[in-house]
Amino acid sequence: GAVVSQHPSRVICKSGTSVKIECRSLDFQATTMFWYRQFPKQSLMLMATSNEGSKATYEQGVEKDKFLINHASLTLSTLTVTSAHPEDSSFYICSLEGGVADTQYFGPGTRLTVL
Amino acid sequence: AQSVTQLDSQVPVFEEAPVELRCNYSSSVSVYLFWYVQYPNQGLQLLLKYLSGSTLVKGINGFEAEFNKSQTSFHLRKPSVHISDTAEYFCAAMTQSGNTPLVFGKGTRLSVIA
Repeated sequence: GAVVSQHPSRVICKSGTSVKIECRSLDFQATTMFWYRQFPKQSLMLMATSNEGSKATYEQGVEKDKFLINHASLTLSTLTVTSAHPEDSSFYICSLEGGVADTQYFGPGTRLTVL
Repeated sequence: AQSVTQLDSQVPVFEEAPVELRCNYSSSVSVYLFWYVQYPNQGLQLLLKYLSGSTLVKGINGFEAEFNKSQTSFHLRKPSVHISDTAEYFCAAMTQSGNTPLVFGKGTRLSVIA
């Protein structure tokens, strides 16, 4: 299956700073990637759908100006958490549909802690 | 719109005992169904999926699931669990139109007791 990497795996930042998370497809060109967020002991919630070469589609309740998504190439999508606050602390996971019928492959996730 | 319900938030079970993790879905259109496993501080790993055909689907690590259209269920089973199966298990659904996001259940924490 498709291999998906995320960088960094863990990040700790001060409140008010911005953090960029990268999601890379290592062996597949993905026109669409998905960004999920997972709070402790909860399920994954879709934040946005990232489309290569166009604006991302955000789910209701997700602030597009706070969570900036850039899908600049078929192998890279980035999520930038701007002016992070402690309530943004979460586990952020990206995924892509890897060419095999309707199967999504997930990155290992990024643990963001905002102090 | 779809929704996925996992009825049990936690399931404790003794080692080598059988286990069933329940999942029900609701959708106005046809969906594909998935089970994912998540170990602590890791991403999700696909256990198995149902796309079409045989309603009994076998996955990795000895897990299997059965799609029941009349009961809108997709329960996950394993005849004999190991300590290493302790993890969070997520049931998910996706519409059959490609490049659409997964809708997840809230997860079931499987704890295998020695």
